[in-house]
Amino acid sequence: DAGITQSPRHKVTETGTPVTLRCHQTENHRYMYWYRQDPGHGLRLIHYSYGVKDTDKGEVSDGYSVSRSKTEDFLLTLESATSSQTSVYFCAIRGQGKDNYGYTFGSGTRLTVV
Amino acid sequence: GNSVTQMEGPVTLSEEAFLTINCTYTATGYPSLFWYVQYPGEGLQLLLKATKADDKGSNKGFEATYRKETTSFHLEKGSVQVSDSAVYFCALGITGGSYIPTFGRGTSLIVHP
Repeated sequence: DAGITQSPRHKVTETGTPVTLRCHQTENHRYMYWYRQDPGHGLRLIHYSYGVKDTDKGEVSDGYSVSRSKTEDFLLTLESATSSQTSVYFCAIRGQGKDNYGYTFGSGTRLTVV
Repeated sequence: GNSVTQMEGPVTLSEEAFLTINCTYTATGYPSLFWYVQYPGEGLQLLLKATKADDKGSNKGFEATYRKETTSFHLEKGSVQVSDSAVYFCALGITGGSYIPTFGRGTSLIVHP
């Protein structure tokens, strides 16, 4: 489906442990994004990337880091998970070119921190 | 800065009713406008888009017209079905500018048989 996959789809982890979520695309797109979605808050941007090794912070980046060593992979790491990071996480890519302009989302990762 | 404002939900309708979900925006530059739909347990899917003023995006019976004079991109459907129950997000992206999209908060639509 549109060449973007997230893994894992579901994860339960303990407070204080590091967690890494993976986003993989087969579209060779330059821009990738990580969002979290929580009731009452809509989508909030965590980090985004505009190329290999080029990343920047979004509006809710505290407690998160990202890495992009290859065009196709964008990793989100919770350095020390907290209960406030229980959420659904979505990765997105931005289409390129006039006819392909738009944002495609992965199916999400539901993360529970206990 | 850029912003998108959607009507608060939930919107509750009976099957075959007419749907309007309002969306207005503020933007610097030349925005493209989008509607996304999210079904329960799934990610957001692009429903339709419009890239310049007066363009009409359409898909699956849904339509929205890019109105620059009123800075609006209202979503409409003439006859909703139960299967249209979902959350709808209005969004904008600036061509040639910041590549961070701006999303509205989402509007939940519930359609009863």
